Amino acid sequence: NAGVTQTPKFQVLKTGQSMTLQCAQDMNHNSMYWYRQDPGMGLRLIYYSASEGTTDKGEVPNGYNVSRLNKREFSLRLESAAPSQTSVYFCASRGPDGYQPQHFGDGTRLSIL
Amino acid sequence: TQLLEQSPQFLSIQEGENLTVYCNSSSVFSSLQWYRQEPGEGPVLLVTVVTGGEVKKLKRLTFQFGDARKDSSLHITAAQPGDTGLYLCAGAQKVMAAGNKLTFGGGTRVLVKP
Repeated sequence: NAGVTQTPKFQVLKTGQSMTLQCAQDMNHNSMYWYRQDPGMGLRLIYYSASEGTTDKGEVPNGYNVSRLNKREFSLRLESAAPSQTSVYFCASRGPDGYQPQHFGDGTRLSIL
Repeated sequence: TQLLEQSPQFLSIQEGENLTVYCNSSSVFSSLQWYRQEPGEGPVLLVTVVTGGEVKKLKRLTFQFGDARKDSSLHITAAQPGDTGLYLCAGAQKVMAAGNKLTFGGGTRVLVKP
């Protein structure tokens, strides 16, 4: 059972480099999300996509862009990485019903030097 | 921005002891979820509470949603080392809204020592 798959699992970048984090889900979910997780701060929403073709800003969107490529895939791009973007990034998806949980991938650990 | 405050941030107890984690907000939520996260993995849902005053039990875990739907608690009875992990509460403001965003608390790291 794949669920939500994130690639890569680890990445080290230099300041100013660009990178795209990939996420794919096989549960036919409409909604997808990107979060970052920093120590003591829980999960903060970066961007989300309620359905294919739509994206919206979350709590901390600055420095990021997203693409909902199709129903399965939702990518997160850092155009010019900064040390403040060092974090663990999680992708999640959710089914359509009212109280469905979000299903998370295992995360991408990103370090920016 | 709606905030969810979790307390304590860290809890270390001996096997067999009880513990309670609190999740508080000044905002009303339509539902609240509790997740548990293991190192190197994403959070996994434990329970969803919907009705004010609701109590749900999952084996040794008891979850309560406050009457005003602004706060929640997680109580673990006779904790075991397998309960070790990061516990996250997350509130949803709208039920059927597209996307249904969640607001996460800062997490409580629980360590149960054998």
